[in-house]
Amino acid sequence: GAVVSQHPSWVICKSGTSVKIECRSLDFQATTMFWYRQFPKQSLMLMATSNEGSKATYEQGVEKDKFLINHASLTLSTLTVTSAHPEDSSFYICSARDTTGGYGYTFGSGTRLTVV
Amino acid sequence: GQSLEQPSEVTAVEGAIVQINCTYQTSGFYGLSWYQQHDGGAPTFLSYNALDGLEETGRFSSFLSRSDSYGYLLLQELQMKDSASYFCAVRALDSNYQLIWGAGTKLIIKP
Repeated sequence: GAVVSQHPSWVICKSGTSVKIECRSLDFQATTMFWYRQFPKQSLMLMATSNEGSKATYEQGVEKDKFLINHASLTLSTLTVTSAHPEDSSFYICSARDTTGGYGYTFGSGTRLTVV
Repeated sequence: GQSLEQPSEVTAVEGAIVQINCTYQTSGFYGLSWYQQHDGGAPTFLSYNALDGLEETGRFSSFLSRSDSYGYLLLQELQMKDSASYFCAVRALDSNYQLIWGAGTKLIIKP
């Protein structure tokens, strides 16, 4: 089945620095990648939708200048949290629609970001 | 707007059967999906109902009734490893096939 590889699994950074999270589709082409954040005991909150070769579409309330998304190829999408602050600490997950024949969406393993 | 409602928590006994309900209000969607998420992990796809009726995949079954705006996930022969959060989600009719998520149901299994 479709596999999305997400790195890093966890990261601790200092307040004010930037962190880049990568998601790669390993055995299929992900023309669309969804980026979520999830707080403990809550559901997934869609942050943005990235389409290969075009600008990402951000959900209401998500700062596009703070959460930079790049989807330069059919197999790689990146999320950069710029000038991170403690309130940005969360679980970030990418997801792509399974185009190998299934109906499900494939998720990366998630990135636990802690800003200190 | 579009919304999906699930119970926040369900408790069951190992070996038993449990049903997790999902009611929704949406103007239209392609299908109803169910995902499992263990603590600290990412969601994994369980099942998808495009049409009304029951879909069975091993110990898990899912049901959809569009006329009742209702679906459920049925888990049989519960095992301790089934302790997790379960989310229903619908695929929106927009061009990106965005998923709209329920708040999730935490399933607690007791021995």
